[in-house]
Amino acid sequence: SAVISQKPSRDICQRGTSLTIQCQVDSQVTMMFWYRQQPGQSLTLIATANQGSEATYESGFVIDKFPISRPNLTFSTLTVSNMSPEDSSIYLCSVVGPTGFGGYTFGSGTRLTVV
Amino acid sequence: GEDVEQSLFLSVREGDSSVINCTYTDSSSTYLYWYKQEPGAGLQLLTYIFSNMDMKQDQRLTVLLNKKDKHLSLRIADTQTGDSAIYFCAEKGGSQGNLIFGKGTKLSVKP
Repeated sequence: SAVISQKPSRDICQRGTSLTIQCQVDSQVTMMFWYRQQPGQSLTLIATANQGSEATYESGFVIDKFPISRPNLTFSTLTVSNMSPEDSSIYLCSVVGPTGFGGYTFGSGTRLTVV
Repeated sequence: GEDVEQSLFLSVREGDSSVINCTYTDSSSTYLYWYKQEPGAGLQLLTYIFSNMDMKQDQRLTVLLNKKDKHLSLRIADTQTGDSAIYFCAEKGGSQGNLIFGKGTKLSVKP
């Protein structure tokens, strides 16, 4: 299965600023998923990032707030813009294996605290 | 829409078996998953089962799938204190091929 390196692992940010989270995969993958896990909650899909096209956002998430880049098949970034304390969460990226079947691998997560 | 439900807490004694239950709604789900999340860590894939299987065993882990009732369970034999974590059930059912997660079951193992 793929190995994902996610950075930063944690950060404390001032409200109104932006943070960019990076995920690097050790193999080429078509789709990369970005999830948010609010404190004590489950994972919610933010968007799906495909290389060469605009990301597809889930209901309740917008590009202006969570811009995503996918410059190639091994890398993606998620930016959390104009942060407020409500954005304090764990953000995780995820990929599925090259066949599209089987297990989904997750990055180790970015624990974001907005003060 | 798709929904995955699981109980929030389970407490067992070390050495006992743990059974974590999950129900899902999307009958077209092809794969169902169990993930483990330890405090402050990311998600670790424990196991997954294809929807045409009834059971899958992997060392101390046994997954049972009742497709008719849309019920999935994870049994951990000889539960150890290191098994204390949150366990998430998930189905591959999202419109983008993503996973839909339950809220997670917090397993506490008492010595």
